Amino acid sequence: GDSVTQMEGPVTLSEEAFLTINCTYTATGYPSLFWYVQYPGEGLQLLLKATKADDKGSNKGFEATYRKETTSFHLEKGSVQVSDSAVYFCALSETGGYNKLIFGAGTRLAVHP
Amino acid sequence: SAVISQKPSRDICQRGTSLTIQCQVDSQVTMMFWYRQQPGQSLTLIATANQGSEATYESGFVIDKFPISRPNLTFSTLTVSNMSPEDSSIYLCSVRPSTRGLRADTQYFGPGTRLTVL
Repeated sequence: GDSVTQMEGPVTLSEEAFLTINCTYTATGYPSLFWYVQYPGEGLQLLLKATKADDKGSNKGFEATYRKETTSFHLEKGSVQVSDSAVYFCALSETGGYNKLIFGAGTRLAVHP
Repeated sequence: SAVISQKPSRDICQRGTSLTIQCQVDSQVTMMFWYRQQPGQSLTLIATANQGSEATYESGFVIDKFPISRPNLTFSTLTVSNMSPEDSSIYLCSVRPSTRGLRADTQYFGPGTRLTVL
C-alpha cells in the first residue's frame, strides 16, 4: 500500500539556520502531497501542498517541490525562527476511493535562539 | 478552508466508561474523517464518515468500540466506548470540503480532543 517516510527527529537548529526535512513516498497513481504542522498543544494545520509533479508548494517561507522521479517532497526553509518549533508531518492523499491521507511519522523541530 | 470545532477539548475519564466527541464544521462538507494520535505518534485514520451512510472503518478499528454518527453535512460524533488506558490519545476530526473546480482532496483538521483514561 501507499506509504510516507520522513527523516527521524528531533531536529535541533539555531535561529536563522537552514532547514530541510526529508520526505519520500511510495504510491500508486498520482497522489497529492502535503505538509502539515502541529504546534505544541494544537491540532494540525495545513502548511503547504502540491498536486502534481514539479509543483512547488510554499507558505510562510517554507517550500517543497513534488519530485516524481525521486518520489520526494522535502520541506525547506531558508531561515528558521523559534516560532517554527513544532512537529511537521508529510502526507499523501491516496488516488481514488476516499482519497484518505497517509501520514509520515512526523519530525519534531526545535529552534533555539 | 473550513472552520472546525471539537468538543470537549480535553477530558479525563475512568476506565470502562464511554466518551462522545463532537465535531462541528462551519460549512457543508461531503467527507469527514476521524483520526487517532497516540502520544508521540503520527495520525492513524479510524474511519471515514459520509452523511447518510454507515461509516467505513479502517483495519484494526470496529464499530462497537468507535461508533460514529453523521446526521447531517456539518456535524459528526465519535464515541470511544468501554475505555481503557490504551485509548488515551488525541482524537481529531477532519473534513474535505466539497469544492468545485479545485482538486478537492485537501483535508482540514479540528483542534483535537485530548483524552486521558485512568
